[in-house]
Amino acid sequence: AQKVTQAQTEISVVEKEDVTLDCVYETRDTTYYLFWYKQPPSGELVFLIRRNSFDEQNEISGRYSWNFQKSTSSFNFTITASQVVDSAVYFCALRSYYGNNRLAFGKGNQVVVIP
Amino acid sequence: KAGVTQTPRYLIKTRGQQVTLSCSPISGHRSVSWYQQTPGQGLQFLFEYFSETQRNKGNFPGRFSGRQFSNSRSEMNVSTLELGDSALYLCASSLGTGGSYEQYFGPGTRLTVT
Repeated sequence: AQKVTQAQTEISVVEKEDVTLDCVYETRDTTYYLFWYKQPPSGELVFLIRRNSFDEQNEISGRYSWNFQKSTSSFNFTITASQVVDSAVYFCALRSYYGNNRLAFGKGNQVVVIP
Repeated sequence: KAGVTQTPRYLIKTRGQQVTLSCSPISGHRSVSWYQQTPGQGLQFLFEYFSETQRNKGNFPGRFSGRQFSNSRSEMNVSTLELGDSALYLCASSLGTGGSYEQYFGPGTRLTVT
């Protein structure tokens, strides 16, 4: 079975502070994908990043960065210099490489950026 | 290119009724997956259809069913609605299934059961 744990439920930060969201996963698959999605109040899930299990390079995209550590089964997400527009729920998800598109989601992190 | 569309966006039903939700994938996408989102259970996978065949099914009762048409549009049906079925139902489309295919989500249908 696949499982994704996002321990922090709600995180409040003051604008321009950095915020890190933790994601720990469990899977028996040797090849898999990890994702982060953003869900603004409108409800639509917005894709942020996909990482496959055999690529442990960290990634930076603008103010967003991701730290993938296979040894600790973690895929953490950092928003640098947060802005009010970053206020949303962020989901970490896991998908097997083979067979289907089934995503296992974590419970999500509600990020509130205070101006 | 148009995104994933879901209709209706909002729906209010009474316990015991049935409901059908529709999802139109991005043009050319052949896989459609459905998810239920509730405050208590979070995002849970319902089922996936690819080329009109159900590829995978989540842990939901038989009251939840779906189908996919030859144009890849998909519908999901919930019969004998219960209060606990109140949720945001999201669908996602993808070119294919498995592997590295990206999934794109629609805006969801907010179902309220009274």
